[in-house]
Amino acid sequence: AQKVTQAQTEISVVEKEDVTLDCVYETRDTTYYLFWYKQPPSGELVFLIRRNSFDEQNEISGRYSWNFQKSTSSFNFTITASQVVDSAVYFCALSEVTTQGGSEKLVFGKGMKLTVNP
Amino acid sequence: NAGVTQTPKFRVLKTGQSMTLLCAQDMNHEYMYWYRQDPGMGLRLIHYSVGEGTTAKGEVPDGYNVSRLKKQNFLLGLESAAPSQTSVYFCASADRGRVPYGYTFGSGTRLTVV
Repeated sequence: AQKVTQAQTEISVVEKEDVTLDCVYETRDTTYYLFWYKQPPSGELVFLIRRNSFDEQNEISGRYSWNFQKSTSSFNFTITASQVVDSAVYFCALSEVTTQGGSEKLVFGKGMKLTVNP
Repeated sequence: NAGVTQTPKFRVLKTGQSMTLLCAQDMNHEYMYWYRQDPGMGLRLIHYSVGEGTTAKGEVPDGYNVSRLKKQNFLLGLESAAPSQTSVYFCASADRGRVPYGYTFGSGTRLTVV
């Protein structure tokens, strides 16, 4: 079965520091999708990025960047010049094909709590 | 643009009581999911549905039942609540016609069983 490992459970940094959140996944599928979600203290899940298994290009969106490496089964997330508003729990997730009508479902890592101090 | 609406947002139950959590989506999505979130455990799939009238077990189905009588609604039932079911419950839906899926999550239901 698919598995997502976020080895770091909690990180605390000072504002303006760069921080990288690690995500390692296991899958037997050749086609799959990886996701990152942010859960701020308010509790909702905020979608950040989705990447398919055939696209290993790194992606940058403002202060956020993602490094996808199939060779190491990793999909790491870096926040540059962190801000207090980045404080949240971050989840990495992997899509998994189910046995029900070819549908898919998300398998989540356990999450990593980031605290950015002023 | 309501998206996915979960009702209620908060609830306190006594052990042994029953209740139903309602998830409603207005995007005509085929797939719907119920997850529970516990500290240090991430989100774990309870049950899911690939269409009206169908349901399937996820990773942690024990103690829960579900129904999908209408395409837009996915109900999660607790027949006899236990303290171990204290959690935050998230519903999600996804569009079968999109690849990759665009998952839409509700805002969550915080359930406490005392």
